Amino acid sequence: QVQLVESGGGVVQPGRSLRLSCGDSGFTFSRYAMHWVRQAPGRGLEWVAFISYDGSDKWYADSVKGRFTISRDNSKNTLYLQMNSLRIEDTAFYYCTRETNAFDIWGQGTMVTVSS
Amino acid sequence: QSALTQPPSASGSPGQSVTISCTGTSNDLGSYNYVSWYQQRPGKAPKLMIYEVTKRPSGVPDRFSGSKSGNTASLTVSGLQAEDEADYYCSSYAGSGDFCVFGGGTKLTVL
Repeated sequence: QVQLVESGGGVVQPGRSLRLSCGDSGFTFSRYAMHWVRQAPGRGLEWVAFISYDGSDKWYADSVKGRFTISRDNSKNTLYLQMNSLRIEDTAFYYCTRETNAFDIWGQGTMVTVSS
Repeated sequence: QSALTQPPSASGSPGQSVTISCTGTSNDLGSYNYVSWYQQRPGKAPKLMIYEVTKRPSGVPDRFSGSKSGNTASLTVSGLQAEDEADYYCSSYAGSGDFCVFGGGTKLTVL
């Protein structure tokens, strides 16, 4: 069964760091570009970051550029999002998603709450 | 403020058709045929319903269809069913920089 499972969310103070992980099941992870998309409580979807299938190309939303780093370890079939200098407005559900000219597979999401 | 503009709500009775619009600019939706639509039920992850403007993934009913004209894309749900009640989001490739932009979402209510 094809699925993605995120982990690593939690409650963190402003200015601190957190690392999210996303593992796969059921497909050849190394063949696909991957993204992180987030959704603040009661709000819409916001694209966060992209990484190419081999990790050589990375793009970020302006709202996280310079603070977040996307990476992957294809030997472990795992996607990461290192989040530094967290702000209250980063509070959201974070989804990892597979790209095939659209986001065709989504994880269940992991909640990140930034609060003092 | 979202990059793509959707109406906040839409509604229809069972069996009717409803169309949800998604308006962008010539820098995103108007320039690329990588428009997709996602259905999100409460407490659940989004689900891909339409990709590349008009294509349906396997398993998505043919009651769902997509189209695009200029800077506006549309999702039409025909033969509305109670299970179609959900939030719907459009998205588009936006080229270098933003890569992907989403609409603010439309809450579809089946009356």
